[in-house]
Amino acid sequence: AQSVAQPEDQVNVAEGNPLTVKCTYSVSGNPYLFWYVQYPNRGLQFLLKYITGDNLVKGSYGFEAEFNKSQTSFHLKKPSALVSDSALYFCAVRERNNAGNMLTFGGGTRLMVKP
Amino acid sequence: EAGVVQSPRYKIIEKKQPVAFWCNPISGHNTLYWYLQNLGQGPELLIRYENEEAVDDSQLPKDRFSAERLKGVDSTLKIQPAELGDSAVYLCASSLGLSRNEQFFGPGTRLTVL
Repeated sequence: AQSVAQPEDQVNVAEGNPLTVKCTYSVSGNPYLFWYVQYPNRGLQFLLKYITGDNLVKGSYGFEAEFNKSQTSFHLKKPSALVSDSALYFCAVRERNNAGNMLTFGGGTRLMVKP
Repeated sequence: EAGVVQSPRYKIIEKKQPVAFWCNPISGHNTLYWYLQNLGQGPELLIRYENEEAVDDSQLPKDRFSAERLKGVDSTLKIQPAELGDSAVYLCASSLGLSRNEQFFGPGTRLTVL
């Protein structure tokens, strides 16, 4: 079975400071990894994904994430947070070689960026 | 390009009543998903369609939930009868089918069962 853990329910950061939202995963094979963001009363919006290749993935709005196979992690990062980044962030995993396997989401982390 | 469209956005019903949700995926996306999202939690897959075929419905409570995608485009999700515990946001998503491709989500339908 595959699973995703987002250990922090909420992350607080001051505007202009770097931010990290943590994600660890568990799959039996190699993973596809995704980050999504959800604003209030909106659907999930795709930020970035790791498929293969370079472990550092760059995505929308200045976000990036680093795939670390040994630590089974895919933490989301941004060098300088904006107040408008405040939202709910979801990490998701899917096993690469199982086309019938579903995407499993973590429980979400609420990011609060304060001015 | 239009995104995933869902309607209605909000629905309030009394328990034991039926309810239906509608989804129009992004044009050309052959894979369509219905998810349930409880407050403060991540989405959980209910059913996945490849074109008009339901290829993964293991998480769909079939005693009261049903879904269809008759022409491989639009889809409807129905609950009959609704229970208090069905109150949640129902999200529709679509993708180009390959597991490496990201899913695009609609705004969701927030269901409240009284």
